[in-house]
Amino acid sequence: AQRVTQPEKLLSVFKGAPVELKCNYSYSGSPELFWYVQYSRQRLQLLLRHISRESIKGFTADLNKGETSFHLKKPFAQEEDSAMYYCALSGRGNKLVFGAGTILRVKS
Amino acid sequence: GAGVSQTPSNKVTEKGKYVELRCDPISGHTALYWYRQSLGQGPEFLIYFQGTGAADDSGLPNDRFFAVRPEGSVSTLKIQRTERGDSAVYLCASRLQGPNYGYTFGSGTRLTVV
Repeated sequence: AQRVTQPEKLLSVFKGAPVELKCNYSYSGSPELFWYVQYSRQRLQLLLRHISRESIKGFTADLNKGETSFHLKKPFAQEEDSAMYYCALSGRGNKLVFGAGTILRVKS
Repeated sequence: GAGVSQTPSNKVTEKGKYVELRCDPISGHTALYWYRQSLGQGPEFLIYFQGTGAADDSGLPNDRFFAVRPEGSVSTLKIQRTERGDSAVYLCASRLQGPNYGYTFGSGTRLTVV
């Protein structure tokens, strides 16, 4: 079965502090993993994909197959990073399976 | 179009009524997906179209839910005999076929069943 777990419902950090949003997955094959972000009153947007190994808005995520994790990291949080973040997996059948999401709140 | 368009953006209906939600994907995107997002939850998969056919409808909760995509572009999600538990944001996404392409989401239709 395909499953994505985001253990934290809310993560609150101060501006300038490092951020790590946790994501663990369960999948027996080779998954395609994504992070999506939803800013207030906006649509879901793709933040990054493991396959492209890029950094977007200072965020990075490394796929760790041994730990079945795809944690999202940023060294210095900014207030505009405050949003809902979803980790998602695409395996067999192309459909995306989402985690429950983590609200990131960056305080000034 | 420039993005995935969903109409209406909000729909309030009475319990027991029939509703249709529309999704207009990005031109040329062959794959189209419907998701449902309840309060405090991540989006849950409902159905996936490849072209005109439903390639995977395993997420449809029951036979009150049905979706079509007759010409391989616009899709309509249809809900019969709506129940209060159907209240949610219904999201549509499209993508080009193949693993190297990302999913683009619409802004959703917020359905409220009263």
